[in-house]
Amino acid sequence: GDSVTQMEGPVTLSEEAFLTINCTYTATGYPSLFWYVQYPGEGLQLLLKATKADDKGSNKGFEATYRKETTSFHLEKGSVQVSDSAVYFCALSDQGGSARQLTFGSGTQLTVLP
Amino acid sequence: GAVVSQHPSRVICKSGTSVKIECRSLDFQATTMFWYRQFPKKSLMLMATSNEGSKATYEQGVEKDKFLINHASLTLSTLTVTSAHPEDSSFYICSASGPGRSFFGPGTRLTVL
Repeated sequence: GDSVTQMEGPVTLSEEAFLTINCTYTATGYPSLFWYVQYPGEGLQLLLKATKADDKGSNKGFEATYRKETTSFHLEKGSVQVSDSAVYFCALSDQGGSARQLTFGSGTQLTVLP
Repeated sequence: GAVVSQHPSRVICKSGTSVKIECRSLDFQATTMFWYRQFPKKSLMLMATSNEGSKATYEQGVEKDKFLINHASLTLSTLTVTSAHPEDSSFYICSASGPGRSFFGPGTRLTVL
């Protein structure tokens, strides 16, 4: 079945540091890939997505590129801020259309220190 | 503003009682709703998928008689945890999907004493 393997946390960085959170996946066919963010006390929010190989999703300074050859979708940000402290989930969906059943990674807790 | 709401946001109940959690899509018609459970320091696990007007499809290992799901309208799905036990304590999150749209609710923290 489908699975998502995510870099284990927690990750602690200083403000303005470079961030990478690794994510690799196993799926049949050509899944869509997502990064979700969960801020303290809030629900999940879609951060970015990519629907086909070589697509780059980006939002709020975060980027991730869909790499089919390495089955990866690593999340990066060049300069993190304290407000980026949250839990980040990598996810995939191998279903087309609007109904999105997701398989999640285990989540990575990010803490950014001032 | 919020596109999908959940109510209540937090609930504490006694062991053996039942708890109902509502998930509403606020400005779109959700033909499909998903219910997830999030364990502490772990990922979200899909519990069931419900399509409006039909019975929910449960994932392997999820007891359908314990976690009752109703999706009676295009804007409302409910999850009822029956005869709750302390091990049911968790964070329950719904996701509502409609044409071209899919959003998560803010989640409901259930604590069973």
